[in-house]
Amino acid sequence: QVHLVQSGAEVKKPGASVKVSCKASGYTFIGYFMHWVRQAPGQGLEWMGWINPNSGGTYYAQKFQDRVTMTRDTSISTAYMELSRLTSDDTAVYYCARGAGTTDWGQGTLLTVSS
Amino acid sequence: DIQMTQSPSTLSASVGDRVTITCRASQSIDSWLAWYQQKPGKAPKLLIYKASSLEIGVPSRFSGSGSGTEFTLTISSLQPDDSATYYCQQYNGDEGTFGQGTKLEIK
Repeated sequence: QVHLVQSGAEVKKPGASVKVSCKASGYTFIGYFMHWVRQAPGQGLEWMGWINPNSGGTYYAQKFQDRVTMTRDTSISTAYMELSRLTSDDTAVYYCARGAGTTDWGQGTLLTVSS
Repeated sequence: DIQMTQSPSTLSASVGDRVTITCRASQSIDSWLAWYQQKPGKAPKLLIYKASSLEIGVPSRFSGSGSGTEFTLTISSLQPDDSATYYCQQYNGDEGTFGQGTKLEIK
């Protein structure tokens, strides 16, 4: 079955960058877009964008366009989401998800941004 | 950008009640809409995809309907385990916007 395993919790200072990984197994990695979604404490789900693991093509939500970079390494079936110029507003749980309207989600990675 | 407006934001109902949550899209999304249930500390769980298709393993008391810009999630007979927050997500085109969520409380 499909498994998406994310990297562990991170603590970063304002202005720093973070790179979260999402290792996929149980399916053909290049066959499905990988989406990234975040959820700030006590808040709703916020869609960030996707990467096409086959081509490397990306699409980002306008809010994150100048700060997010999504990449992948097909040799190890892993997708990455890098967010730069962090502020306290970026404190959230970050999820990867196999496609949209999907049952397949990672377990989430908690990012805490604090000085 | 497509905006999703979900209502109500909170809902309190009793076991056995019929409950309806609504999601409106700012433009037509055909039937490209999903409904999720989320409990604290967990990833969202897919309930409905393509507006009305029930995900395997989801109880039949959950149903979805609608197309275009108006969608509903209905729970036909509320159970204690249904206490959670519910989100709609549109996935028409390149974006995957979520509604703001509906927190459902069991009286």
